[in-house]
This record gives sequence, structure tokens and C-alpha cells, in this order.
Amino acid sequence: AQSVTQPDIHITVSEGASLELRCNYSYGATPYLFWYVQSPGQGLQLLLKYFSGDTLVQGIKGFEAEFKRSQSSFNLRKPSVHWSDAAEYFCAVKAAGNKLTFGGGTRVLVKP
Amino acid sequence: NAGVTQTPKFRVLKTGQSMTLLCAQDMNHEYMYWYRQDPGMGLRLIHYSVGEGTTAKGEVPDGYNVSRLKKQNFLLGLESAAPSQTSVYFCASTGGSTDTQYFGPGTRLTVL
Repeated sequence: AQSVTQPDIHITVSEGASLELRCNYSYGATPYLFWYVQSPGQGLQLLLKYFSGDTLVQGIKGFEAEFKRSQSSFNLRKPSVHWSDAAEYFCAVKAAGNKLTFGGGTRVLVKP
Repeated sequence: NAGVTQTPKFRVLKTGQSMTLLCAQDMNHEYMYWYRQDPGMGLRLIHYSVGEGTTAKGEVPDGYNVSRLKKQNFLLGLESAAPSQTSVYFCASTGGSTDTQYFGPGTRLTVL
């Protein structure tokens, strides 16, 4: 069965610093991978997705992610964090039946 | 387009009471999903539907029932609520295998 691991439960980063969120997946076939962001009290918003092709994927709000098949990873990055990036971030892999399996999430705190 | 909407936004139940959560989408999507979100566990799939009149069990289906009588609506029922069902419930929909899942704003349910 597929699974997603986000090793970091919390990350604190200073405003203007770079951010990297880790995601490791387990899936037997070619994965479809997603990053979603959830602001406090809100639903989930798609940041970016990977289906095929270029392994470096650009998303909204200045985020990007890199798919590394050899490492079963899909890490999310942002070069310079803004206070509005404080949120919880979820990595997910799509399995058969269009079902998503989510990681446990990483909560990002931004220090002024 | 309203996207995915959920009713109600908040609800408090007593143990043993029943209720129905309504999810509606106006994007003509075939697939619809119900998730629950608990701290540190990400989102877990309760039930899903691949089209009008169909339903299937997800990862944590016990204690819940669903119905998809109309393509645009997906109902989640709790017949006899338990404190373990205190959670935030999210509905999502998607049009196909390469499409994004779009999420509703969530329903916060507390069972006393």
C-alpha cells in the first residue's frame, strides 16, 4: 500500500530565509504527487503537482518541488519565506481510484 | 463557480446522536471524497464515490455511511456519534485521474 512520510512535524524559519519541507513516499508505480497548503481554519489549497516530465515543478506563491525517484522524495522549497507562508503543508500521493494518501503534515512557523 | 461547499461549518453532538454532513460541488466532477483530519495524522479517507450512485470504503470507514444520489452531492452520515469522531471533516472532488482534488472549507464536529 502507498504511504507518505513527512519527517518534520514543525519547522520554524525566519522571514526572508529559505524553506525546505521533506516528503518521502512509498508507491509501486509511477507516482502522482501533490503539495497542499492549509492556512489556519481553512481548507486545503493546491500548491503544485507532479505527474510526469520535468522533475522540478513550479507552483503558486513562489514554491517549487523536486521529484527524485531514486530517493522516493518530493521535497518542497521556497527561496524566501514571507510571514503569510505560516501554515500547515501536506504532501500526498495519488493511488488507484484517484484516491489521495496524505502525509501527517508539517507546520511552518515564521519568525519576524 | 462556488467550487466545493460543505454544510454545516460547525456542529456539536452528544454521544449517540446522528447527523448528516452535506457536500456539494458545481464542477460536474465524477469523483467525490470524504476525509477526516486529526492532529498529526494528516487527512484520512473515510469513503469515496467514483460516480453517481456509487460509493466505496476508504481507510477509516467504520461508524460512517455515505450516499451519492445526485452527481453534485455527497452525503456523510453518522448514525450514532462517538467522541472518537470528533474531528474536522473535509470533502473533495475531482474530474479524473490527472485532475487535482478540490477541497471544501471543512466541517468541525465535536462529539461530547
